[in-house]
Amino acid sequence: QKEVEQNSGPLSVPEGAIASLNCTYSDRGSQSFFWYRQYSGKSPELIMFIYSNGDKEDGRFTAQLNKASQYVSLLIRDSQPSDSATYLCAEHDSWGKLQFGAGTQVVVTP
Amino acid sequence: EAQVTQNPRYLITVTGKKLTVTCSQNMNHEYMSWYRQDPGLGLRQIYYSMNVEVTDKGDVPEGYKVSRKEKRNFPLILESPSPNQTSLYFCASSPKVPRQGALEKLFFGSGTQLSVL
Repeated sequence: QKEVEQNSGPLSVPEGAIASLNCTYSDRGSQSFFWYRQYSGKSPELIMFIYSNGDKEDGRFTAQLNKASQYVSLLIRDSQPSDSATYLCAEHDSWGKLQFGAGTQVVVTP
Repeated sequence: EAQVTQNPRYLITVTGKKLTVTCSQNMNHEYMSWYRQDPGLGLRQIYYSMNVEVTDKGDVPEGYKVSRKEKRNFPLILESPSPNQTSLYFCASSPKVPRQGALEKLFFGSGTQLSVL
């Protein structure tokens, strides 16, 4: 049984600071990872995807993948109150199955 | 407007009364999938379909049925709902089968909040 694990939080971050979210996975064959953001009562929306070791940056977001250690992380720079949401890590396999972590709640405080 | 449409948005029913939650996408996507979301458990995949007439079980398929008779529609059927199926349900679609190394974005519907009494 593949597992994707995240700390549930809440992760409290001062406005303007860096939020750091982590996700670990158990399937060594996993290749692609996604970060979704979900506001309360809304559907998830894709923030970033990563499939190669290393860092990938998109605006204020940076995803980091370390396959040897089996973790993927998301950094949010210059955190804003609008970043307050639950962040879901997800792993896709080649057969169409999708595994989500339970999500990390982020609260950005003014 | 490209979208995934789920209906109904809210549904309250009683144990044992068959129900169907509809899902339709207008983007000609091959891949469609259903998830349920429960507090503390995140999103869990119920069923997915890689194309018309092709469906497969996700992690929590018990008590659910699906069909994919045409590309745009992927209804979720609860033949005999039970209280433990009270949850928030999401349908999603993708232009291709999500695949390792492939960069596919899932388009989510707005969700269906189901309560089974």
